[in-house]
Amino acid sequence: DTGVSQDPRHKITKRGQNVTFRCDPISEHNRLYWYRQTLGQGPEFLTYFQNEAQLEKSRLLSDRFSAERPKGSFSTLEIQRTEQGDSAMYLCASSSRMTGGGTDTQYFGPGTRLTVL
Amino acid sequence: AQSVAQPEDQVNVAEGNPLTVKCTYSVSGNPYLFWYVQYPNRGLQFLLKYITGDNLVKGSYGFEAEFNKSQTSFHLKKPSALVSDSALYFCAVRDMGKALGRLYFGRGTQLTVWP
Repeated sequence: DTGVSQDPRHKITKRGQNVTFRCDPISEHNRLYWYRQTLGQGPEFLTYFQNEAQLEKSRLLSDRFSAERPKGSFSTLEIQRTEQGDSAMYLCASSSRMTGGGTDTQYFGPGTRLTVL
Repeated sequence: AQSVAQPEDQVNVAEGNPLTVKCTYSVSGNPYLFWYVQYPNRGLQFLLKYITGDNLVKGSYGFEAEFNKSQTSFHLKKPSALVSDSALYFCAVRDMGKALGRLYFGRGTQLTVWP
């Protein structure tokens, strides 16, 4: 499977614990995005990387959230001191540079469902 | 500001009938528009996108969407619905002046196709 992969698929944790999610983008995609999706809502943007550089961060990304993309390959999203409001599906997407104009298409992974008890 | 509205939370249609899932958008400039589909406990699958040019965009699985600039709409259509089309559909927009970065998604429309 050459699509975007995410690990783990499900995570149950207790309030106050730290969690880390991993995303492996489609090979050779230089752009990587994190979104959060809660029940009954569409995905909400969290952050965006081009190669290893984090170029955009949403105000949703509080100080407890940090994302990295070392060497411009896989990415990790860490949530420290989790709260019940962090319970959501965390989606990763990747895309490649467009040539000749237009816009890139983001391809999504299966998501990591986080439940904070 | 960029935003998308999907005015219908649910659309129900009989198999074999045409379906339409509505989307309206708001951007400061010209839009790039996208449709994605989500099956239960899965990520989003790309269906189609509008960049520029022909207002009728054809996508995967027989879906198409019509861009209407005057009505700021990008409705998803399919001439003959299948039971397997039952899923959650999301419209998304990005300002053409910002070719990179985030997409703004609607809340989604649950499509149910009954046999």
